[in-house]
Amino acid sequence: EVQLVESGGGLVQPGGSLRLSCIASGFNFNTYDMHWVRQVPGKGLEWVSGVTSAGDTFYSNSVKGRFTVSRDNGRNSFHLQMNSLRDEDTAVYFCARETVTMSGWFDPWGQGTLVTVSS
Amino acid sequence: SSELTQDPAVSVALGQTVRITCQGDGLSKYFGSWYQQKPGQAPVLVIYGRNNRPSGIPDRFSGSGSNPGNTASLTITGVQAEDEAEYYCNSRDSTGDHVVFGGGTKLTVL
Repeated sequence: EVQLVESGGGLVQPGGSLRLSCIASGFNFNTYDMHWVRQVPGKGLEWVSGVTSAGDTFYSNSVKGRFTVSRDNGRNSFHLQMNSLRDEDTAVYFCARETVTMSGWFDPWGQGTLVTVSS
Repeated sequence: SSELTQDPAVSVALGQTVRITCQGDGLSKYFGSWYQQKPGQAPVLVIYGRNNRPSGIPDRFSGSGSNPGNTASLTITGVQAEDEAEYYCNSRDSTGDHVVFGGGTKLTVL
């Protein structure tokens, strides 16, 4: 079964840091581009960051310079290091696999991990 | 523009047909995809590309898009009660480097 499982969410103060992880199983992880998408509770989906199978990274303007995405193909995992966190970063963070490179087609998604930035 | 625009809400009677649309510059270059999200759950891919359904998605879901053009549509034929959900479109933006999502359409089944 193709599956993604996120971890690492929690409560953090503004200006703090958090590292999210996504563990993949059931497919050849190192051949797929992977992404992070977030959702403020009650609001819509927002793409955050992506990392290609080759390790190239991309970020939304709202997180560029603060977040860093990386992958570890040997451990079938990828990560989102979030620094200088702001209140507006509070959201559920989903990881997702891009089914065809450069398509924007995401399947499957993880169950999500909640990040709360608050003092 | 790097945005995708969707109507915020649509309602349909049980058993009828509904079309949900998505408009944006990225769709003139890339085929988009559609996601169903129910409360408390992760999004689920229901349509991708010109009109492709992942395994397990009922054939009452179909997609279309104008190419060239900047509009994509999701059609649900014979709507069921379990189709009540939020639906999001997405695509690569016009540069290809970023991914953009529509604001979502809340589908209510009457």
